[in-house]
Amino acid sequence: SQELEQSPQSLIVQEGKNLTINCTSSKTLYGLYWYKQKYGEGLIFLMMLQKGGEEKSHEKITAKLDEKKQQSSLHITASQPSHAGIYLCGADTTDSWGKFQFGAGTQVVVTP
Amino acid sequence: DAGVIQSPRHEVTEMGQEVTLRCKPISGHDYLFWYRQTMMRGLELLIYFNNNVPIDDSGMPEDRFSAKMPNASFSTLKIQPSEPRDSAVYFCASSPGLAGPKNIQYFGAGTRLSVL
Repeated sequence: SQELEQSPQSLIVQEGKNLTINCTSSKTLYGLYWYKQKYGEGLIFLMMLQKGGEEKSHEKITAKLDEKKQQSSLHITASQPSHAGIYLCGADTTDSWGKFQFGAGTQVVVTP
Repeated sequence: DAGVIQSPRHEVTEMGQEVTLRCKPISGHDYLFWYRQTMMRGLELLIYFNNNVPIDDSGMPEDRFSAKMPNASFSTLKIQPSEPRDSAVYFCASSPGLAGPKNIQYFGAGTRLSVL
């Protein structure tokens, strides 16, 4: 069964608009990792969250971890064409120690 | 450091042939992971090594798949014999450790395998 559920599966956003991606775990999280993948390329690490309530930002991308909900959100402010790609969340969970799990990914398209 | 290096980038082969994928992890990383990515199943962990020793291979789909890590700077994933359903992108990743920030995995560019 899928331990990490991402939503939405895909989204199209106009350049300059904001967007949010969610990642929900069915297991207790030890760590939540966000990656970005461009077509034909490997995954690029964005940021990692460990503690409930933790929030991290890098340029216009902000990620938060809600420990109670076992959920993380990735928010992009004023999206740009460079933000297009597939965003994946990955996690260490109580049942998968050492076996990193990934969500199915969210495809982001940024239109002019 | 050049990052995780995988070769070849693309591989096209015929059903029944042996395929060998190669990976050079980041120097100093103790963990090496092999993943497979398909549209249907997403990103799946196949096997991971710690200090060159295979720790968990429960994700390896069949006996046709095997992986080795003869030293800290080289690993191979072999498929013999290959089948069309093995067509996918295979990624190698490495990390310094398994816990928290040490489990940040760095990925290679992947090998796109097509089995005809």
